[in-house]
Amino acid sequence: AQSVTQPDIHITVSEGASLELRCNYSYGATPYLFWYVQSPGQGLQLLLKYFSGDTLVQGIKGFEAEFKRSQSSFNLRKPSVHWSDAAEYFCAVATNTGNQFYFGTGTSLTVIP
Amino acid sequence: EPEVTQTPSHQVTQMGQEVILRCVPISNHLYFYWYRQILGQKVEFLVSFYNNEISEKSEIFDDQFSVERPDGSNFTLKIRSTKLEDSAMYFCASRPGLPTDTQYFGPGTRLTVL
Repeated sequence: AQSVTQPDIHITVSEGASLELRCNYSYGATPYLFWYVQSPGQGLQLLLKYFSGDTLVQGIKGFEAEFKRSQSSFNLRKPSVHWSDAAEYFCAVATNTGNQFYFGTGTSLTVIP
Repeated sequence: EPEVTQTPSHQVTQMGQEVILRCVPISNHLYFYWYRQILGQKVEFLVSFYNNEISEKSEIFDDQFSVERPDGSNFTLKIRSTKLEDSAMYFCASRPGLPTDTQYFGPGTRLTVL
């Protein structure tokens, strides 16, 4: 069965520091992988996605993620965090019909000045 | 930029009452979805809808739930007899057509069942 694990419930980083949010997935076929961000009271905004090709994908707001098939991982990174990056981050895997999304439990990011 | 809209932003209802949550997907999108997020928990898939019928649904989407596209623009989620545990944020999403297309999410409707 498809599933997504985000092992870090909450992460705190200093502004300007680098960030890595972990995501591991379980899916039998080639996965479609996504990272979404949710600010308080807001909907889900797509940061980036991976379907095929280059395993390092670039997204909005300076985020990038790397797909590692051998580790079943799709970790999100940002070299220098801004205070406005404080939010909830969700990793998701979609079935190859694109019809079902499975979300992780999310990682809450706090940025301290 | 086109976006998915949802109304109302917050709905309060009494247990046992019926509620209808409304969504206007992005025009020319072909696939529509409902998700829910119980406070503090992950976003859970409820149902996908294509060509005027349900294409996939989760175990959560039982007989008390139904979806409809009553006209060319709205997409609704009806909960027939609400329970306390239905209290959650409900998100609508739409995508153009290809499996690789992005799903675009609306801002959500917070449902509170008293």
